[in-house]
Amino acid sequence: NAGVTQTPKFQVLKTGQSMTLQCAQDMNHEYMSWYRQDPGMGLRLIHYSVGAGITDQGEVPNGYNVSRSTTEDFPLRLLSAAPSQTSVYFCASSYRPVGQPQHFGDGTRLSIL
Amino acid sequence: QQQVKQSPQSLIVQKGGISIINCAYENTAFDYFPWYQQFPGKGPALLIAIRPDVSEKKEGRFTISFNKSAKQFSLHIMDSQPGDSATYFCAASIQGAQKLVFGQGTRLTINP
Repeated sequence: NAGVTQTPKFQVLKTGQSMTLQCAQDMNHEYMSWYRQDPGMGLRLIHYSVGAGITDQGEVPNGYNVSRSTTEDFPLRLLSAAPSQTSVYFCASSYRPVGQPQHFGDGTRLSIL
Repeated sequence: QQQVKQSPQSLIVQKGGISIINCAYENTAFDYFPWYQQFPGKGPALLIAIRPDVSEKKEGRFTISFNKSAKQFSLHIMDSQPGDSATYFCAASIQGAQKLVFGQGTRLTINP
C-alpha cells in the first residue's frame, strides 16, 4: 500500500526553469492538496482539488499551476522558477477536505539557484 | 496573516517530563482542531484531533486541551520519550470548508 507518492525527492533548478512535481495516491481519495513548508511559516496551502477536473487556489498560489485529470494524480507545475520558491513541497490526500486525516507524502525538497 | 499562532517555536524537555505546545486562533468559526507530528525527512501525520464540543481529548500519552472562550488549544505529551522528538503542527478548519490552516510548527527535542 503505497499511500501518497511524491517524485522527485530532491531537485535543483536555475531561475527561470520550469518543472513539474508529481504526486500520486492509491487510496481513491477525492481531495488532494499541495503545501509548501518553510522555516517558521508552517505549512501553507498552494492549490487543492476536490475531485478530478476541479481545482482551486489556496493561500499562496502565485507562480504555481495545477490540474487534476484523474483521481490518482495531482501534479504541481512551476512555470518559471524563482528563488522565493525554494522550499519543501508536500502533497496530501484524504476522503474529505477536513474532519479526516490528511495523508501526506514524504515531500520534494526544491532549491532554486 | 497567520490565522493560527503556535508557540513555542522550539522546546527541549527531559525524558519523562511533560511537553506542552500551545496554539491560539482568531476565527470563531473554526470547529476542527488537529495536531500533526512530523519526523525529519517525512511528511506530517495526524496525531490527535478535537472538536470544540469537548474540553479535552486523550489518546495514550497525548492530550489536547481546548479552551473555547480563550480561543486556545494545547497539546500535552506526558512522560515524554526521545522517540517523541519531532516537529509538531497544530491546525484548524471550518466544517464544510476545503482547507486546513496550520500553525508555524514547534520543534520538540526530548533529551535522554
